[in-house]
Amino acid sequence: GIQVEQSPPDLILQEGANSTLRCNFSDSVNNLQWFHQNPWGQLINLFYIPSGTKQNGRLSATTVATERYSLLYISSSQTTDSGVYFCAVYNAGKSTFGDGTTLTVKP
Amino acid sequence: DTEVTQTPKHLVMGMTNKKSLKCEQHMGHRAMYWYKQKAKKPPELMFVYSYEKLSINESVPSRFSPECPNSSLLNLHLHALQPEDSALYLCASSQGFVGVDGYTFGSGTRLTVV
Repeated sequence: GIQVEQSPPDLILQEGANSTLRCNFSDSVNNLQWFHQNPWGQLINLFYIPSGTKQNGRLSATTVATERYSLLYISSSQTTDSGVYFCAVYNAGKSTFGDGTTLTVKP
Repeated sequence: DTEVTQTPKHLVMGMTNKKSLKCEQHMGHRAMYWYKQKAKKPPELMFVYSYEKLSINESVPSRFSPECPNSSLLNLHLHALQPEDSALYLCASSQGFVGVDGYTFGSGTRLTVV
């Protein structure tokens, strides 16, 4: 099946710093989604982004489908950004999640 | 209403008990999903329903029994579970089948099997 790799696995930032999270996938996909899982387990949709670039406030994402990767940018990080960030790809009727990036933002 | 609602939020059950998890959405989504998530791991797909019919079963043990009574409701019936089945169970829905437009997740049920 399709492989999804996220990097880095762990990231520690000082409040106000910027960061880039990466998601590589091994095969063509129909779609890709970025999620933030908060400490209570809720998976919150950040972006649904099969290709191109989207922005929402301090967050933006870019997917280059032809090169099989997606990037999530977080600017001016806040402590509430802490949690696990997953990318999920959809292909051939199924979804596959990466192992996630655990982000800790310190005050 | 843009939410997926899961009940209960927490559940502790014995290995001989029978219990059910409930998931509800009123967004008109026609695909619904059950996922299982162990600590520090990504969600793993269990079942997919499309138009109230079971479309995908990821070789899940029969002690987990899904049910889709109508387009807004999804249940997961649990019977004779093992302690290793303790996990966060997540429900999701989407407008189109298989994530054509992205998934919306519920907040999950934290299940502990004792």
